[in-house]
Amino acid sequence: GAGVSQSPSNKVTEKGKDVELRCDPISGHTALYWYRQSLGQGLEFLIYFQGNSAPDKSGLPSDRFSAERTGGSVSTLTIQRTQQEDSAVYLCASSLIGGSNEKLFFGSGTQLSVL
Amino acid sequence: GNSVTQMEGPVTLSEEAFLTINCTYTATGYPSLFWYVQYPGEGLQLLLKATKADDKGSNKGFEATYRKETTSFHLEKGSVQVSDSAVYFCALRAAGNKLTFGGGTRVLVKP
Repeated sequence: GAGVSQSPSNKVTEKGKDVELRCDPISGHTALYWYRQSLGQGLEFLIYFQGNSAPDKSGLPSDRFSAERTGGSVSTLTIQRTQQEDSAVYLCASSLIGGSNEKLFFGSGTQLSVL
Repeated sequence: GNSVTQMEGPVTLSEEAFLTINCTYTATGYPSLFWYVQYPGEGLQLLLKATKADDKGSNKGFEATYRKETTSFHLEKGSVQVSDSAVYFCALRAAGNKLTFGGGTRVLVKP
């Protein structure tokens, strides 16, 4: 596609429910990243994929958070038993091969609101 | 661990004023440094980067110089426009592949 696509753009859920957030990276990009941006905060790294494997998942805040990537393309971030503190904008980014000097292309994010 | 510290905003200034946003970092090894910008209603995008000491990144009138001796990468623009109103993020990439971001600085330029 032309850019990184994320869906849904907005998600409102009730505390305790599970949610799935989807990221469709730029075609051909092997590296994929998930970040979280809380209100008034910076960007918090969650997880990084190289192909379908995740060599760095150090930023996942708890075992309620998981992510997978299939076919070296689409990735899904799942949050189980959502809590109010999970409310944030979840951003996905991709880059061509994950080189240290590459720029990341970001999607527009999914605004998650947990009531 | 790696970290980035940037000045807190919001920074409010008039059109044609000089803008500086301070950024300092802590990292192992020799990181690459970046400034990303988030315009209202848009996604994050790369503004400029520098990959080694004394490199200067520049784009859209913005500049930042990689200063290893002071571990800094301050962003400057000589004459801002209303269209420069945005949130600016300083970031580094050291060993490994993740970008570590600062907290962001909101800039508001008034006509």
